[in-house]
Amino acid sequence: AQKITQTQPGMFVQEKEAVTLDCTYDTSDPSYGLFWYKQPSSGEMIFLIYQGSYDQQNATEGRYSLNFQKARKSANLVISASQLGDSAMYFCAMREVPSGNTPLVFGKGTRLSVIA
Amino acid sequence: DTAVSQTPKYLVTQMGNDKSIKCEQNLGHDTMYWYKQDSKKFLKIMFSYNNKELIINETVPNRFSPKSPDKAHLNLHINSLELGDSAVYFCASSQDDYNEQFFGPGTRLTVL
Repeated sequence: AQKITQTQPGMFVQEKEAVTLDCTYDTSDPSYGLFWYKQPSSGEMIFLIYQGSYDQQNATEGRYSLNFQKARKSANLVISASQLGDSAMYFCAMREVPSGNTPLVFGKGTRLSVIA
Repeated sequence: DTAVSQTPKYLVTQMGNDKSIKCEQNLGHDTMYWYKQDSKKFLKIMFSYNNKELIINETVPNRFSPKSPDKAHLNLHINSLELGDSAVYFCASSQDDYNEQFFGPGTRLTVL
């Protein structure tokens, strides 16, 4: 069964500093995708970054990068140069890709607070 | 030109009532989903439809019935609402397994 673990319920970071949000996953399927979503206080779910299990390089999208360590089954999100607007809940999610469309399985989330 | 839209955004109702939440996507995606986010912010899949066909039905009470009139729409009907149904319900869509799911803005359901 799939499982996503986010061990940090809450994190604080100083503005302009980098922060790493942890995510480990559990799957026996060799083909899967890993996703990070941001949920600000307004409630919408915003896609940030994607990493495929066969991707050789770590994904990057602007200030977001994914530290993908396949052997350790971890997919940590790194946010560089934190901004006040980064304060939000962050969810790690995984999707196995055996065949057909499968839903995302989410972790419990990490609440990030950026301090001025 | 919202990608995934849901109506209503807020829904307050009495226990025992029947209510519907509508979802539409204009992305041309084949698959649509309903997720429930509880008070602790935990998100869990409820249903998944691919080209109007139900492909995933997680252990959701049969008071919840999704309906997909076409592949751009996936509505959620809930009968005999209970206090525990209070949550935020998100609709989402995706094209295939390799790309992100696009979420609607969510519907906050409060059952009194």
